[in-house]
Amino acid sequence: SQTIHQWPATLVQPVGSPLSLECTVEGTSNPNLYWYRQAAGRGLQLLFYSVGIGQISSEVPQNLSASRPQDRQFILSSKKLLLSDSGFYLCAWSQNDRDNQPQHFGDGTRLSIL
Amino acid sequence: AQSVTQPDIHITVSEGASLELRCNYSYGATPYLFWYVQSPGQGLQLLLKYFSGDTLVQGIKGFEAEFKRSQSSFNLRKPSVHWSDAAEYFCAVALSYNTDKLIFGTGTRLQVFP
Repeated sequence: SQTIHQWPATLVQPVGSPLSLECTVEGTSNPNLYWYRQAAGRGLQLLFYSVGIGQISSEVPQNLSASRPQDRQFILSSKKLLLSDSGFYLCAWSQNDRDNQPQHFGDGTRLSIL
Repeated sequence: AQSVTQPDIHITVSEGASLELRCNYSYGATPYLFWYVQSPGQGLQLLLKYFSGDTLVQGIKGFEAEFKRSQSSFNLRKPSVHWSDAAEYFCAVALSYNTDKLIFGTGTRLQVFP
């Protein structure tokens, strides 16, 4: 069966520091991959999605970037964190070989910026 | 623009009572609809989905939802709530021309009293 892993689970970083959050999927190949941010008391905002290695679509202008160096690896990065980057970050995957496939989420990373 | 509205931010029910969580969408064509549940500090778990066919869909954990095109609604129901159902519930819509992109509602927090 397919599984998705995110790490770290919790991260506290100072303003201006770099960021790297990692997400990997097991048990499938060529998945669609997604990064979402969930701010306190709000819904989920899609940040990036990828349909293949090196293919990244950005949904909102921001201080963050994403990369997909391997088929089942999706990384969220920042060179300099802002206070507004605090939130709960969720990675998700869906099957790429059929239509109308639901997205499956990881357990998330809680990012606090000091 | 496409949107999802969950009018109830917070709902409190007694254990054993019935539950209905409301979801309304705005989209001109037939949407693909989802309900997810999120326990505190965790990722989202898919409860059920609607793509086509029977407008009453059954999901996991005893939940069901009914698609009503005339009301642009996809309300989630459960006949008898358990204390373990306390969580946040998100309705989401995928657009038929790009099912890779989910638009989420802002969520409904469910509290269950014994």
